[in-house]
Amino acid sequence: DTGVSQNPRHKITKRGQNVTFRCDPISEHNRLYWYRQTLGQGPEFLTYFQNEAQLEKSRLLSDRFSAERPKGSFSTLEIQRTEQGDSAMYLCASSFIAFQGVIPYGYTFGSGTRLTVV
Amino acid sequence: KNEVEQSPQNLTAQEGEFITINCSYSVGISALHWLQQHPGGGIVSLFMLSSGKKKHGRLIATINIQEKHSSLHITASHPRDSAVYICAVLGGGQFYFGTGTSLTVIP
Repeated sequence: DTGVSQNPRHKITKRGQNVTFRCDPISEHNRLYWYRQTLGQGPEFLTYFQNEAQLEKSRLLSDRFSAERPKGSFSTLEIQRTEQGDSAMYLCASSFIAFQGVIPYGYTFGSGTRLTVV
Repeated sequence: KNEVEQSPQNLTAQEGEFITINCSYSVGISALHWLQQHPGGGIVSLFMLSSGKKKHGRLIATINIQEKHSSLHITASHPRDSAVYICAVLGGGQFYFGTGTSLTVIP
């Protein structure tokens, strides 16, 4: 297993276009998280999945953002009608949490997808 | 208001110095996470802890749940420790992140 993989690494898009990012987590991990990080700031939580279920979605996430994890493995994050303010690094992480557990284990980040909206 | 506050924001140290980075939080948490982010952007998990103290090599992390405070210590610092150190707390199923402490260790 090569860790958490994100594609593409970089994406430049024109304002108004739709973009989709992909995250492949560590195979045995049941939790998958999406974060956004802008320059000089810590990551901001966007959403997370346990298996295929989306359990939490940040208030920061507008209706233009949607995430899926259809088979409980890879996940996609789509941004519709991109705006310049969407320019950021989009980070994915995965972990394993036991049944009725509280603390996730093996928390691992991907390298991120850097989005630039021009 | 940030749920997680880190101090200092920036830190410069001489090689060999003992370093402490502090994290205070205001939400109820089930765990606290220390992360290291290098200039290229990659993030590495250092520790996840819910009580007491953990040690890994030259790194030590402590947490005081009653005081809602955690510290990350680096002993015998080295230039390769130069990075941004981020504190994140797990509360209500999601992580809240501090803005990070940028550490530069000078040879």
